[in-house]
Parts: sequence; structure tokens; C-alpha cells
Amino acid sequence: QVQLQESGPGLVKPSQTLSLTCTVSGGSISSGSYYWSWIRQPAGKGLEWIGRIYTSGSTIYNPSLTTRVSMWVDPSKNQFSLRLSSVTATDTAVYYCARDHGSGTFQPGWFDPWGQGTLVTVSS
Amino acid sequence: SYDLTQPPSVSVSPGQTASITCSGDKLGTKYVAWYQQKPGQSPLLVIYQDTKRPSGIPERFSGSNSGNTATLAISGTQAMDEADYYCQAWDSNTVVFGGGTKLTVL
Repeated sequence: QVQLQESGPGLVKPSQTLSLTCTVSGGSISSGSYYWSWIRQPAGKGLEWIGRIYTSGSTIYNPSLTTRVSMWVDPSKNQFSLRLSSVTATDTAVYYCARDHGSGTFQPGWFDPWGQGTLVTVSS
Repeated sequence: SYDLTQPPSVSVSPGQTASITCSGDKLGTKYVAWYQQKPGQSPLLVIYQDTKRPSGIPERFSGSNSGNTATLAISGTQAMDEADYYCQAWDSNTVVFGGGTKLTVL
């Protein structure tokens, strides 16, 4: 079955850029017409959706983060990636990647499966 | 922005039915998904498109959605069901999560 694994630095300095990659295994990132999403969760708090990307490169971002977020996909490596610029302490969270069952860029979906998550701390 | 409201906590006795609500304006016109999250683990999808159960999720998990409220029901609740539960919907081209409900099995 499909599995997802996040990777990237666990510590980022304030004002710098957070970069994470999600590697998909057990299936092709290009098959099945799935989208791929990033979601984060500050310690002890709820979930916040960051955005989604399709293998064509089509993206949609959370309006609250859109000025700082970019996503891209590398089908040859079965990976998709997240970049979040100008980070502050409020961006400290566990970051999850997930397969997004939306049927179109602007169509609702649900998330299954999820990666195990990676903790990113923003601190000097 | 669109808000989904969940009770912070729900308690249930083993073997009883737990009901967790998720409220939002005209939520019944949107699809709702539910996730279970145990400490230190990733969220797990338990219900999607209001009522559908993914493969491997026990039949005791069920969902409904009408009017302004979606409900996750867990019948015959077991100790292993103790977890945080989050509802999720889509509004104005963005994903919204509820604040989460901690289910305690007493």
C-alpha cells in the first residue's frame, strides 16, 4: 500500500525558509488522479491545511499562508515538496504530508494515508 | 472564514455509544471527513464523504451529516477508541478542520 515519508531539517532559524520533501512509496505519485497535500499541527493544537498539488503542478494554498508557500512535484523521484518562507516561531509544528482524494484542484477531498510527520522547530 | 466547531471533550463508558459533533454553517451541503489521532501518531481517516468507512475501519464507526451538524458515532466504544477526533470539510477552495474532540473512555 502507499506510504508517505517526510524529510527535511528539524531546525530552521527565524526569517529563513523551511523546506520539506515527501517521498511516496508503494505506488506512483502520478497514478490514480490523486492530489498531494501538506498539513501541520503545532504541539498540543489542531490541524491546519497548508495546500495541495497535482502532478501537473497545479496548486492551491491556504489563503492564510499563500504569500509564503510554494509547492512543487518531482514525478521522476516520486516526491513532492514544500517551501515556507519568512518563518517565525508560530510556524513551529509537526508537518505531515498526505494523499489528497480531491477530484479537482478546487474539489473537496479527504486525506489518506498520512506520513508519520516531522517536527520543525523555528528558533535561533 | 469558515469555522467548524467541535466540543473539546466527550466521555463515554465502555460498550456505550459515543457521539462527537461538528457544527458549521450549512455543513450538510458539504462533504465531511473524520480523523482519529492517538498520542504520538499521525491522524487516521475513519469516515469520508459523510458516511463512508475506509477499508479496515471497524463497523462501529459511522457518520452522518445534515443541516448544520455532522456527527461521528462510535457504537460499542472500546478503550482503544480513546483518542482525539477531528472533522474536516472544504469551503471556499480551502480545507477546514474542526478544533478536535478528546474522547475519553471511562
